[in-house]
Amino acid sequence: NAGVTQTPKFQVLKTGQSMTLQCAQDMNHEYMSWYRQDPGMGLRLIHYSVGAGITDQGEVPNGYNVSRSTTEDFPLRLLSAAPSQTSVYFCASSPTGGHSLLHFGNGTRLTVT
Amino acid sequence: DAKTTQPTSMDCAEGRAANLPCNHSTISGNEYVYWYRQIHSQGPQYIIHGLKNNETNEMASLIITEDRKSSTLILPHATLRDTAVYYCIVRSRSNDYKLSFGAGTTVTVRA
Repeated sequence: NAGVTQTPKFQVLKTGQSMTLQCAQDMNHEYMSWYRQDPGMGLRLIHYSVGAGITDQGEVPNGYNVSRSTTEDFPLRLLSAAPSQTSVYFCASSPTGGHSLLHFGNGTRLTVT
Repeated sequence: DAKTTQPTSMDCAEGRAANLPCNHSTISGNEYVYWYRQIHSQGPQYIIHGLKNNETNEMASLIITEDRKSSTLILPHATLRDTAVYYCIVRSRSNDYKLSFGAGTTVTVRA
């Protein structure tokens, strides 16, 4: 059972480039979310989804797009990367919105130069 | 949602109990207390949660005061592998989609 899988593990981008961070889960979870973690800031919610076709904004959504075409996948898109988006990104899922069962991936470390 | 206050850091001796405090003085009646931890470079891991009663599982115990304004996570016999950042979160089960984590408590277990 793979759980929550994030790819890539590391990425370096130049300012203005675009990319997609991938997140996949094999637990048939309805709820998925993306977080960013900056030093001393804890984890801040970017976007979340409560099911296929449904997404909503979290605490820090600007500069990021998401879509949820399948239950398994929840990609995070950076359309025009900025140095302020240098961070570690975590994807999480749970069976419902009940976050006592949040399962996290191991993160993607993104550097924007 | 109620805010939480945790100490920035604490040390604990290996084999001893680690008691991690959390203040949530503005907690409302339908809000639960959750604890997660994050070991270096990994995603956070759920530990335990509770509403009013004390809870225990294989990882830890959660003690919630009678007025629910504070709680303590207890790691009964801390090991070096318990070194991590511990997050205390207060959320309503009916509105728990927008879950964010504060800075937490950095716990260092020393041999």
